[in-house]
Amino acid sequence: DAGVTQSPTHLIKTRGQQVTLRCSPKSGHDTVSWYQQALGQGPQFIFQYYEEEERQRGNFPDRFSGHQFPNYSSELNVNALLLGDSALYLCASSLASIGIHEQYFGPGTRLTVT
Amino acid sequence: AQKVTQAQTEISVVEKEDVTLDCVYETRDTTYYLFWYKQPPSGELVFLIRRNSFDEQNEISGRYSWNFQKSTSSFNFTITASQVVDSAVYFCALSESLANAGKSTFGDGTTLTVKP
Repeated sequence: DAGVTQSPTHLIKTRGQQVTLRCSPKSGHDTVSWYQQALGQGPQFIFQYYEEEERQRGNFPDRFSGHQFPNYSSELNVNALLLGDSALYLCASSLASIGIHEQYFGPGTRLTVT
Repeated sequence: AQKVTQAQTEISVVEKEDVTLDCVYETRDTTYYLFWYKQPPSGELVFLIRRNSFDEQNEISGRYSWNFQKSTSSFNFTITASQVVDSAVYFCALSESLANAGKSTFGDGTTLTVKP
C-alpha cells in the first residue's frame, strides 16, 4: 500500500520563475492538503482540494494555485517565485468521510529559489 | 486568532531519560482540537495524537503520554525512557474544528535529540 508520494524531491528555481509540484495521495484517499514549511518553522496551511475543487485556503497569495485530478492526485503551482518561497512543501492526504485529522504526509519537496 | 507556542526550541537528553515537550495554545473557540506530530529527518510528518477540547483525560500510548489541561491552555507531551529513535522535531498544532483540521495552526516545533 503506497503512501503519499511527492515529486520532485528537490528543486532549484530562479526568482520570477514558475514551479509545479506534484502529489499522489495514499491509496483510497480523496482529499489533498498542501503546506509550506519554512526552515525552523512549523507547517503553514496553503489549501485543500476535494472533488477537484479548492475547499479551504490559508493566507497565501494568488500566486499559489492548485489542481486536483480525477485520480485524486494534485499539483501545487507557484508563479512569480520570490526568495521567500524557499521552503519544504508538504502534501497530506486523507479520506473525507473519516476526517482531515487522519492526515498522512508525504516526504515533501524542497524548493530553493535563488 | 489562534496561536501555538512551543517555548523549547531544542532539547537534548541521554537515552533512557524522561523528557517533556511543552505546548501552550491560544484560541477563542470553545470547540477545538489539538494535535502532536513527529517529523524525523526524512521530513514526513507523522501523526501522533488528536485531542478535542471536551476531553481532558490524559492518554498513554506505550512510552508516550499526553497531559491536556484547559485551565492552563497546555497540551504537554512526555516520552518515558527516551530512545535514540525518538530524535526528531515535534510539532504541536491547534485546529478550530475537526472539519477544518487542514487549517491547523502549528507551533514552531521542538527539536529533540536523544544521545546514546
